[in-house]
Amino acid sequence: KAGVTQTPRYLIKTRGQQVTLSCSPISGHRSVSWYQQTPGQGLQFLFEYFSETQRNKGNFPGRFSGRQFSNSRSEMNVSTLELGDSALYLCASSPRPGALRSYEQYFGPGTRLTVT
Amino acid sequence: KQEVTQIPAALSVPEGENLVLNCSFTDSAIYNLQWFRQDPGKGLTSLLLIQSSQREQTSGRLNASLDKSSGRSTLYIAASQPGDSATYLCAVIPDGTSYGKLTFGQGTILTVHP
Repeated sequence: KAGVTQTPRYLIKTRGQQVTLSCSPISGHRSVSWYQQTPGQGLQFLFEYFSETQRNKGNFPGRFSGRQFSNSRSEMNVSTLELGDSALYLCASSPRPGALRSYEQYFGPGTRLTVT
Repeated sequence: KQEVTQIPAALSVPEGENLVLNCSFTDSAIYNLQWFRQDPGKGLTSLLLIQSSQREQTSGRLNASLDKSSGRSTLYIAASQPGDSATYLCAVIPDGTSYGKLTFGQGTILTVHP
């Protein structure tokens, strides 16, 4: 079974631009979460989607948004990029509720975003 | 607000040693705890998931324990190898409706010398 895939793997943007990152979960998984990882703050939760609905949201400004499609694929968007948005963005998926080990998170390789 | 702390922040040992990595959390009302490893510049690989009703989980040379009442988990690595060198992260899931909302510790950077 293929793992979680994220595209693109690397991205360089300029301040003020916007960016869209994509995540395809493991087949059959319906929950997708996004995290931001930086050397200073570590891993921080951005948001979680299940069945196209945002279930939880972390403490990030409104410039960070996301969505989930009917096939469980998810995108996150960052508008008006700032230098501090440079980070590794990780996506994770987990099985449907009620499935065996339904809370185990499986992470993708991440998208490295650099804002200049 | 849940806070997760990992001790030590870094550890350097010779090959063959048995290791203990520590994770503590401030709110004992967790649903699950998961241990991950992360290689430089890569994503996270799940090592062990401990459900709140369990006390420990084992996978190969890895053993993780959970003591909810004291807010602690330990990851035990037996007979360490250079390939074990990575950052080890623990994360807690707060409740049964937040499948993907993990709170992570800052990690322990492990280096195993040949």
